[in-house]
Amino acid sequence: GENVEQHPSTLSVQEGDSAVIKCTYSDSASNYFPWYKQELGKGPQLIIDIRSNVGEKKDQRIAVTLNKTAKHFSLHITETQPEDSAVYFCAASSRGSTLGRLYFGRGTQLTVWP
Amino acid sequence: NAGVTQTPKFRVLKTGQSMTLLCAQDMNHEYMYWYRQDPGMGLRLIHYSVGEGTTAKGEVPDGYNVSRLKKQNFLLGLESAAPSQTSVYFCASSYGTSGYEQFFGPGTRLTVL
Repeated sequence: GENVEQHPSTLSVQEGDSAVIKCTYSDSASNYFPWYKQELGKGPQLIIDIRSNVGEKKDQRIAVTLNKTAKHFSLHITETQPEDSAVYFCAASSRGSTLGRLYFGRGTQLTVWP
Repeated sequence: NAGVTQTPKFRVLKTGQSMTLLCAQDMNHEYMYWYRQDPGMGLRLIHYSVGEGTTAKGEVPDGYNVSRLKKQNFLLGLESAAPSQTSVYFCASSYGTSGYEQFFGPGTRLTVL
C-alpha cells in the first residue's frame, strides 16, 4: 500500500514568518493530496488539496506544491499568525484503490510564536 | 447541519469491558470511516463503509467491529477492551471516494485501564 512520510514532526516559527511542511509518497498511482489542520481538541479539517494534474495551488496565505516525478508535495504557509498553530496532516489517495482511501502522514505540530 | 457528530466525547473502561461508539452524519454521505489517532502515529483507518449495510476492514481492524444499519450512522464496537485500545477515535464521512473531502467528527477520547 501507500506510504506517506511527513517532515518535520514539530515546527516553531515567529509570527509573520513562513512555514513549510514536506511530505513524500511511495505509490505512483496516487493522484489526490489533501492537507488537514487539526486544532487542539477537534477533528481534522481540510484546508487545501491538490490533484496530480496540477503542480501548484494557492488559497490566500496557504499554498501546496506537487512534484510527481520526485513524489513529494509541500504545504507553504506565509505570514504566519498565532491561530495557524495546530497539527497539520498530509495525505495521499489513489483512484486505483478499492476505496480511494486516504493514507496520512504522522503530522506536524506547528507553533507560531507572537 | 450538524455535520459529523460522535458520542460519547470521553470514556474510561476497564480491561475486558465492552462499549460502542456512535457516529452520525447528516450530509447524506455514502462513505464513512473510523480512525484511531495515537501520538506520533497520525490517523490509522480501522474500518470503513461504502454504503448502508456494508463494512470492510482498514489498516488496524483487530479488536473492533462495526455496523452500518442506517446510512447516517456508523457504529464502532469494542467487545473486550484492552489497554492498547487507549486512543482518540475519529469518525469521518465523504460523498465519494478518492478526491472527495472527508469530514471529521470531534473525536472520542477512550482510556482503557
